[in-house]
Amino acid sequence: DGGITQSPKYLFRKEGQNVTLSCEQNLNHDAMYWYRQDPGQGLRLIYYSQIVNDFQKGDIAEGYSVSREKKESFPLTVTSAQKNPTAFYLCASSPTSGSFNEQFFGPGTRLTVL
Amino acid sequence: DQQVKQNSPSLSVQEGRISILNCDYTNSMFDYFLWYKKYPAEGPTFLISISSIKDKNEDGRFTVFLNKSAKHLSLHIVPSQPGDSAVYFCAASALEYGNKLVFGAGTILRVKS
Repeated sequence: DGGITQSPKYLFRKEGQNVTLSCEQNLNHDAMYWYRQDPGQGLRLIYYSQIVNDFQKGDIAEGYSVSREKKESFPLTVTSAQKNPTAFYLCASSPTSGSFNEQFFGPGTRLTVL
Repeated sequence: DQQVKQNSPSLSVQEGRISILNCDYTNSMFDYFLWYKKYPAEGPTFLISISSIKDKNEDGRFTVFLNKSAKHLSLHIVPSQPGDSAVYFCAASALEYGNKLVFGAGTILRVKS
């Protein structure tokens, strides 16, 4: 089945630790995105990538890093510099970067900092 | 500054009646609008969209209306069903901004049976 997978579903981290969230898609989409959702707020864009080996900061990139070494994979690292990392993280992909952007979302990872 | 606003945090509707979810935007460059539905602990799923060249798009029980002059769009669900209970996000994009989506804060819809 085609789709987007995120792992793990739940993740706990101690303060001061970096943690990497996985996102894989087999939809052959060029563009991939990372969002963060907090209670009462919409999805906020962290990073996005329109093509392999290229990515851009979104609205709230501070304290996060990404890589795009393969078309199907776009891992997100939450670093210790992120002041408030507890949130629900969503990965998405879309067919092409330059056309209309119905984005397809993964199931999400809930990160809790202890 | 929120460019996409969903001013109603929640909405409760009786099964079989119409649900109307509203969304306002401030950026006149937005030219494509989408609605997503999200269940708890899941990713959003695409529901329906509309281009700025149209004022209405219909798909089954779901209809989206766009009023460009008022910078307002709405999602109508008729008839509402208990399975429609979810969070609904409005999103907007503009070609000039690389088609990145800007999301509203969401509206929780509860359909009572």
